[in-house]
Amino acid sequence: DAKTTQPPSMDCAEGRAANLPCNHSTISGNEYVYWYRQIHSQGPQYIIHGLKNNETNEMASLIITEDRKSSTLILPHATLRDTAVYYCIVRVGNSGYALNFGKGTSLLVTP
Amino acid sequence: DTAVSQTPKYLVTQMGNDKSIKCEQNLGHDTMYWYKQDSKKFLKIMFSYNNKELIINETVPNRFSPKSPDKAHLNLHINSLELGDSAVYFCASSQGVGDRTGELFFGEGSRLTVL
Repeated sequence: DAKTTQPPSMDCAEGRAANLPCNHSTISGNEYVYWYRQIHSQGPQYIIHGLKNNETNEMASLIITEDRKSSTLILPHATLRDTAVYYCIVRVGNSGYALNFGKGTSLLVTP
Repeated sequence: DTAVSQTPKYLVTQMGNDKSIKCEQNLGHDTMYWYKQDSKKFLKIMFSYNNKELIINETVPNRFSPKSPDKAHLNLHINSLELGDSAVYFCASSQGVGDRTGELFFGEGSRLTVL
């Protein structure tokens, strides 16, 4: 699977948009971009994923650059409960491939 | 109802003992996983089963043996526990077909402490 690079930590004010970047310059054509988060001591939680097109769901938006070498997860109106470690993962879309978690970005949402 | 449930949530035991952690999912998924999260918070895949068949087996000591009696259950048995086995173990499941195979549902974790 392609490697990803994320900033180790970020801050965001409550109510503002949180934009979390991820670089995956070696991504191949059949690899999806997945985002997960882990709130302290809980199991990781799936947020969103995409292949080429931008995606949006009730939790977040995923913007993937045209060359697919980077992406941004957007939490439109961050709340204190969004404080968590966010993981960007690229993976082939097949159950025979593991989802490998890196170090992620620790997002702190402040009042 | 909890989608992916693990028992026990906490387990404290002595070195050399044998212990098991159980996992059950009620999502109808056909793929289940075990992950280990160590004290440095790195989350690493250990095993994956698809329809009761082992499909992923990372470099894990033979003391760890997963068992999948059916699609809804994946248990983890650990023999001869060592201090380094202390970690939080997460079970997860996914539907193993289509482009949503990476959408994993995780349990709340089982914190194992080996003394």
